[in-house]
Amino acid sequence: KAGVTQTPRYLIKTRGQQVTLSCSPISGHRSVSWYQQTPGQGLQFLFEYFSETQRNKGNFPGRFSGRQFSNSRSEMNVSTLELGDSALYLCASSLKRATDLYTQYFGPGTRLTVL
Amino acid sequence: AQTVTQSQPEMSVQEAETVTLSCTYDTSENNYYLFWYKQPPSRQMILVIRQEAYKQQNATENRFSVNFQKAAKSFSLKISDSQLGDTAMYFCAFGGGATNKLIFGTGTLLAVQP
Repeated sequence: KAGVTQTPRYLIKTRGQQVTLSCSPISGHRSVSWYQQTPGQGLQFLFEYFSETQRNKGNFPGRFSGRQFSNSRSEMNVSTLELGDSALYLCASSLKRATDLYTQYFGPGTRLTVL
Repeated sequence: AQTVTQSQPEMSVQEAETVTLSCTYDTSENNYYLFWYKQPPSRQMILVIRQEAYKQQNATENRFSVNFQKAAKSFSLKISDSQLGDTAMYFCAFGGGATNKLIFGTGTLLAVQP
């Protein structure tokens, strides 16, 4: 079974631009979560989508948004990029069933650099 | 709010030896999961082992095992017969409560020396 895939793997943008990152979960997984990883703040939860609905959101400004499609693929969008948005963005998928709560499987990440 | 603490920023171990990485957590939840993830230089986050809080038996996965002390809120990872490929950042994570998000510790950078 294929793992979580993320595209693109690397991105370079300039301040003020916007960016869209994509994530395809493991087949059968309906929950997709996004995390931001930086040297200073570590791993921080951005949001979770399940059945095309945002279920939870972390403490990030409204410039960070996302969506999920009917095939469970998810995208996250960051508008008006700031230098501090430079990070590794990780997507994780899970089955979210009663016997396997919280177990998440991660993709390889998208490295975003904002200049 | 849940917190996860990893007090060892870096550790080093000789190949074939055993090393233990420490993790403590704080929560008021009764039902939760604890995880160890490995992040090698490739940056891919790999699930190493997980422990359900309601299970008293410590989880094991080949050379990896945990020492789960629920009352002490401690969750350490033991790596036996360390291999060069074990060199990575190791994150302890907590999953529990109403949300599906994981709370991560700050990580322990493990270097396996030949």
